[in-house]
Amino acid sequence: GESVGLHLPTLSVQEGDNSIINCAYSNSASDYFIWYKQESGKGPQFIIDIRSNMDKRQGQRVTVLLNKTVKHLSLQIAATQPGDSAVYFCAENSGGSNYKLTFGKGTLLTVNP
Amino acid sequence: NAGVTQTPKFQVLKTGQSMTLQCAQDMNHEYMSWYRQDPGMGLRLIHYSVGAGITDQGEVPNGYNVSRSTTEDFPLRLLSAAPSQTSVYFCASSYGRTPAGGRNEQYFGPGTRLTVT
Repeated sequence: GESVGLHLPTLSVQEGDNSIINCAYSNSASDYFIWYKQESGKGPQFIIDIRSNMDKRQGQRVTVLLNKTVKHLSLQIAATQPGDSAVYFCAENSGGSNYKLTFGKGTLLTVNP
Repeated sequence: NAGVTQTPKFQVLKTGQSMTLQCAQDMNHEYMSWYRQDPGMGLRLIHYSVGAGITDQGEVPNGYNVSRSTTEDFPLRLLSAAPSQTSVYFCASSYGRTPAGGRNEQYFGPGTRLTVT
């Protein structure tokens, strides 16, 4: 079946550095993508989304890039802070007009002070 | 708004016991779903519903039942618990169709940590 996966299961960075978390998706019909952050013991929380008609979208300290040619999604976090330490998931709307999210396995980001 | 609420937060069951995990949302969302999260497996969809009276299976539906009698509630039932169902369960809700140019993330509850011995 269609799936969303991550290249790196863990990422360790120094405080103040930029972080890049990658995600590959396989459903070429997916038209909506979301990045979630999950802190220990909590449910996932929305970070940023992007539609398939866009290549880039920026939020506060975060940027999502979408490359439809190679079916790749990335999340960039600028000036990473200790509070950014969490598991990050990408998700795609694999249901087309019938909304249904498929999640990747997640990347654990650890920020070292 | 309380958002998405789940009860209980923790539960221990013996093999063969049954129980219902409760989920409610107060955002008038059409779409509700249940996921389980296991180490290294990410979030896997168990069942979902696109509206009251409509449910469908996700990726891992075996051993679980759901119903959607109201827009607000979406309980998940384990009829005969097995150790393989030890996991953290998340309920989520969202609008059923993504509005053009709009944002439509799923809102997640705090989770239920279930252990089956």
